[in-house]
Amino acid sequence: QKEVEQDPGPLSVPEGAIVSLNCTYSNSAFQYFMWYRQYSRKGPELLMYTYSSGNKEDGRFTAQVDKSSKYISLFIRDSQPSDSATYLCAMSDTGGYNKLIFGAGTRLAVHP
Amino acid sequence: EAQVTQNPRYLITVTGKKLTVTCSQNMNHEYMSWYRQDPGLGLRQIYYSMNVEVTDKGDVPEGYKVSRKEKRNFPLILESPSPNQTSLYFCASSLSAVYEQYFGPGTRLTVT
Repeated sequence: QKEVEQDPGPLSVPEGAIVSLNCTYSNSAFQYFMWYRQYSRKGPELLMYTYSSGNKEDGRFTAQVDKSSKYISLFIRDSQPSDSATYLCAMSDTGGYNKLIFGAGTRLAVHP
Repeated sequence: EAQVTQNPRYLITVTGKKLTVTCSQNMNHEYMSWYRQDPGLGLRQIYYSMNVEVTDKGDVPEGYKVSRKEKRNFPLILESPSPNQTSLYFCASSLSAVYEQYFGPGTRLTVT
């Protein structure tokens, strides 16, 4: 079993839809949770970062962490075609540089 | 412009022919890392470096070497490439915390 599970998609939604992207994990020691966005033929870029449980909002994006269920989510409101990308969740226990574990990524397509 | 650069971007080679993929960052970052990205497996760390002359293995170091002689450069060396090293490779750098990683554009390597 992988430490971090993420549905690869693809997920196809119409413009303006609310998108929910999710990851589950097995290591209860994870405390740092990140979402990266990766456009085609580009490197990943950090989108959101949260520490421990709770919600964090940044514009149209909301990250949620439920440590009791070992489940994290990224919500995208009013999705745009420019949001079409692969979204990778990543986690760490100590925050140490050598401990970042990535999910496989979910491919999202937002069509006009 | 702050960036991580990698060269070459695309490389096709044959089994056993030594190669080097270069990585350079202009942000004066302490930490640098190499990842490989494979379908369904996400990003997996190969090696990382916390500073000049300080390197350590990640999750999948077999068949790879690295060196960090200058702060800005972190080359990845494949001394005897094999077909199972066909992958998309990313270099990343970070000032300190693990979640602030900046990724390069990627190097697509094919070993025949």
